[in-house]
Amino acid sequence: RKEVEQDPGPFNVPEGATVAFNCTYSNSASQSFFWYRQDCRKEPKLLMSVYSSGNEDGRFTAQLNRASQYISLLIRDSKLSDSATYLCVVNRRNTPLVFGKGTRLSVIA
Amino acid sequence: DARVTQTPRHKVTEMGQEVTMRCQPILGHNTVFWYRQTMMQGLELLAYFRNRAPLDDSGMPKDRFSAEMPDATLATLKIQPSEPRDSAVYFCASGLVPTGNSPLHFGNGTRLTVT
Repeated sequence: RKEVEQDPGPFNVPEGATVAFNCTYSNSASQSFFWYRQDCRKEPKLLMSVYSSGNEDGRFTAQLNRASQYISLLIRDSKLSDSATYLCVVNRRNTPLVFGKGTRLSVIA
Repeated sequence: DARVTQTPRHKVTEMGQEVTMRCQPILGHNTVFWYRQTMMQGLELLAYFRNRAPLDDSGMPKDRFSAEMPDATLATLKIQPSEPRDSAVYFCASGLVPTGNSPLHFGNGTRLTVT
């Protein structure tokens, strides 16, 4: 079983829609959680960290459920520019980041 | 804006040839990672260094891959001999420990094709 699992998608949504991605992780010792965004043929870039209490950054909301070991990302009012692959990332103390394979989002006009 | 620099951006080579990929991490970052990305496997960690010391290279096929950090400004990943299954995008990334407190910065990647 992969340490981080995501639905690969693709998610095809119209502009303005709300879309949610989930991610599960297998190692209960995981301490830090992130969402990275990767555009086609580009490098991954940090989108946002995920905090235990949940956190919001503009149209993006991230939540963590430690008991069930899953992380979510909600995007409201989708824009065409949100089209990308979203990578769920977990980390245990002093170990490298572990990346999920990503969920592909296409926002359609 | 500080960036991780990787060269070459693209490499096409024949099976059996040696391939060397180079990375210049962001100045001041103490941890350097090599990841490989394919459609099938996603991003896989190959090796990483902290303060130039190799910490883990268990993700690399030892018989053909080697990773080094000759100085703080250069990390290299070599494949010898290369095989078609090595075709992938190879990313170098740098960051600060503890990784939970600072983002990982990726280079543009080296797109390797082995024919």
